Amino acid sequence: SQQGEEDPQALSIQEGENATMNCSYKTSINNLQWYRQNSGRGLVHLILIRSNEREKHSGRLRVTLDTSKKSSSLLITASRAADTASYFCAGLTSGTYKYIFGTGTRLKVLA
Amino acid sequence: DVKVTQSSRYLVKRTGEKVFLECVQDMDHENMFWYRQDPGLGLRLIYFSYDVKMKEKGDIPEGYSVSREKKERFSLILESASTNQTSMYLCASSSWTSGRANVLTFGAGSRLTVL
Repeated sequence: SQQGEEDPQALSIQEGENATMNCSYKTSINNLQWYRQNSGRGLVHLILIRSNEREKHSGRLRVTLDTSKKSSSLLITASRAADTASYFCAGLTSGTYKYIFGTGTRLKVLA
Repeated sequence: DVKVTQSSRYLVKRTGEKVFLECVQDMDHENMFWYRQDPGLGLRLIYFSYDVKMKEKGDIPEGYSVSREKKERFSLILESASTNQTSMYLCASSSWTSGRANVLTFGAGSRLTVL
């Protein structure tokens, strides 16, 4: 069953602006990851944040995690047209091998 | 570069046909997964395997079976394809022991259409 939700479902911004996506989940997780998917392709891992971390940075990406609220956010700063893609959060469920994915946010960056 | 390869990018099959989707990884990963992706539903886990010949059902195993005879290969089988199995199928692998433990590496996907 689907246990991750993301919002917004779709986001359209101008190049150079920041894009923020939010993810909420229902189970306990060991870590939360964000993936990117270009149209019709597989997913590519972007960043992982462990359950004992609150914030993590990687290049233009900033991820936050609030385990008490079971939520995470992904911020992409200074967006580029090449950032146009769908973005998914995925939580590794505690005590299992299972990853629970969110429904995804479709980001469109206009040049 | 590490890779997960799915044998077919696009398949068109008829209702009732047996369908094999093959996935091979070259990273010596213990864990392999099959997901299906449908608009508005995100990725749903069909089956996963944490070792050779080991498999566990995911959230939507009905109508599917899997085979893992070798560590690098994980096959998804649709015994009798139906139109509601038209979807994008994604294979992924991960390892508990590598430096990128718990990170999924995905194949490019197989888009199956059942007529």
